[in-house]
Amino acid sequence: EPEVTQTPSHQVTQMGQEVILRCVPISNHLYFYWYRQILGQKVEFLVSFYNNEISEKSEIFDDQFSVERPDGSNFTLKIRSTKLEDSAMYFCASKRGTGAYEQYFGPGTRLTVT
Amino acid sequence: AQSVTQLDSHVSVSEGTPVLLRCNYSSSYSPSLFWYVQHPNKGLQLLLKYTSAATLVKGINGFEAEFKKSETSFHLTKPSAHMSDAAEYFCVVIPSSNTGKLIFGQGTTLQVKP
Repeated sequence: EPEVTQTPSHQVTQMGQEVILRCVPISNHLYFYWYRQILGQKVEFLVSFYNNEISEKSEIFDDQFSVERPDGSNFTLKIRSTKLEDSAMYFCASKRGTGAYEQYFGPGTRLTVT
Repeated sequence: AQSVTQLDSHVSVSEGTPVLLRCNYSSSYSPSLFWYVQHPNKGLQLLLKYTSAATLVKGINGFEAEFKKSETSFHLTKPSAHMSDAAEYFCVVIPSSNTGKLIFGQGTTLQVKP
């Protein structure tokens, strides 16, 4: 069964460094998402991406964040200058199309900023 | 604005006894509601969904949920808990945006004792 994959599973970085979190969505899916979960808090929506552009973003998704689908298979989340408060589990998800409800999630990348 | 509230952060049951995980929603229209489950080191998996069809929804692994508009509830139940049901459970709502972003509850940790 196809699944969403994410790499790395755990990333440790120093404050101020750039990080790129990678996701490979399910191949025939058209909508892509990033969510994050700070330890002990809710899973929060960050951004949705469709037709090679951002379709919606939350207040969290400021200028430090960007997303890209560089090659038709990968979907990346870049944080330009990490802060301590960016430490969280980041989940990628994908969805087949507009009429579909189910989002398929990857296992997550745990980002630790020191 | 749409939101969901999970009334218990932690539920503990004995194997073979019923499971009840509670969720209340807030929405100005008839919402689409979901339950997702997360096992340790795994991605979020869809258990079941309500999208304005039958109010009693059956999901995977013997779970059910009933949409009760009068009580604004969407509680998750299972008649008999299994050790493998131990996980984190999230009640989720889709707001009206076409992008399909998910809004998560705080999560309920289900512990199953032998």
